[in-house]
Amino acid sequence: AQSVTQLGSHVSVSEGALVLLRCNYSSSVPPYLFWYVQYPNQGLQLLLKYTSAATLVKGINGFEAEFKKSETSFHLTKPSAHMSDAAEYFCAVSESGGTSYGKLTFGQGTILTVHP
Amino acid sequence: SQTIHQWPATLVQPVGSPLSLECTVEGTSNPNLYWYRQAAGRGLQLLFYSVGIGQISSEVPQNLSASRPQDRQFILSSKKLLLSDSGFYLCAWRTSGGAETQYFGPGTRLLVL
Repeated sequence: AQSVTQLGSHVSVSEGALVLLRCNYSSSVPPYLFWYVQYPNQGLQLLLKYTSAATLVKGINGFEAEFKKSETSFHLTKPSAHMSDAAEYFCAVSESGGTSYGKLTFGQGTILTVHP
Repeated sequence: SQTIHQWPATLVQPVGSPLSLECTVEGTSNPNLYWYRQAAGRGLQLLFYSVGIGQISSEVPQNLSASRPQDRQFILSSKKLLLSDSGFYLCAWRTSGGAETQYFGPGTRLLVL
């Protein structure tokens, strides 16, 4: 079984400040990990994913995440927040292996607010 | 390139009425298809997935059903809607196998009154 915990349902930062969104996972097999962003009343857009290659993953819009197996974490960061980053962010895990069929288990989401 | 469509975009239905939401994918063959529900203030819950025509797996017992009559068409249905069926329904697809990304459609907002 797999699970995802996102610490903090709401995060507020000032424009230009560091963004840090936390994600911890649980998986019985090596995981694939994803971060998605959702703007109001829209579908989810992939920011980045970890698939057992480099542990530091760079994504779109200046975001990156680091896979830390010892901490079972996959935190999302961005050095300098922009107003357009305001959205809801979801961390998700998928188990490697053919029988998982790519099913994603999502965290509860973190709403990011960016203040001018 | 691949695209995914969902319709309708918004739907208001009375309790006890039937439901049919449609999802279609273009530009790929034999995708894995998924239905998720996002209830207010909650994360996304996987409802159904399909790895081929006529092959449906249900993740949670509920008032809904899914069908895949064609390779790139995925339908979510209900015979009688409940208030608790309200939410934002998202369809997703991915290329079968490996660590492929799931790509999401624009979603359908369902309000059951």
